[in-house]
Amino acid sequence: GAGVSQSPSNKVTEKGKDVELRCDPISGHTALYWYRQSLGQGLEFLIYFQGNSAPDKSGLPSDRFSAERTGGSVSTLTIQRTQQEDSAVYLCASSLHVPGTEAFFGQGTRLTVV
Amino acid sequence: GQNIDQPTEMTATEGAIVQINCTYQTSGFNGLFWYQQHAGEAPTFLSYNVLDGLEEKGRFSSFLSRSKGYSYLLLKELQMKDSASYLCAVRPAAGNKLTFGGGTRVLVKP
Repeated sequence: GAGVSQSPSNKVTEKGKDVELRCDPISGHTALYWYRQSLGQGLEFLIYFQGNSAPDKSGLPSDRFSAERTGGSVSTLTIQRTQQEDSAVYLCASSLHVPGTEAFFGQGTRLTVV
Repeated sequence: GQNIDQPTEMTATEGAIVQINCTYQTSGFNGLFWYQQHAGEAPTFLSYNVLDGLEEKGRFSSFLSRSKGYSYLLLKELQMKDSASYLCAVRPAAGNKLTFGGGTRVLVKP
């Protein structure tokens, strides 16, 4: 596609439920990032995929969070047993694996846990 | 670890100049990015620095000093539409994740 696509754009879920957030990166981009942004805050790194390398999961806040990237393209971020503090905008970005190239962001998924 | 600091908020007048500073301490360095983010929208790329010096792009310029772990974004001839958050991000080493600072909210007043 022309840009990074994320779905759903908004998700309201009950505490304790599992949610799946999807990211479709720009075609040909081998690097994919997930970030979390709470209201008025900066971007908190969650996970980074680069090609076939093992992902950098160092930002995942707990074992309730996991992500996968199938076929080097689409990625899914899964949050199990959601808590109210998980409420945030989840942003996905992708880039080429070329020094100096910028990451392009999707519009994000606004997750609200009630 | 990584530490990226920038002021939380700045206010400036339309037509004026504002300089947003960013200091970083990272394990390795492979480039610094500035992004603009309007409220409720995704961040968009503004500039990239990997060598020391000034990069100019229209009304926006970005400066880097690697020895000081310091960058700034300069916004000239401010317009109301420049009211946004400005995010500094560092790539610590080739192939590694992009780490963001907390962002600086700039408010442009008439």
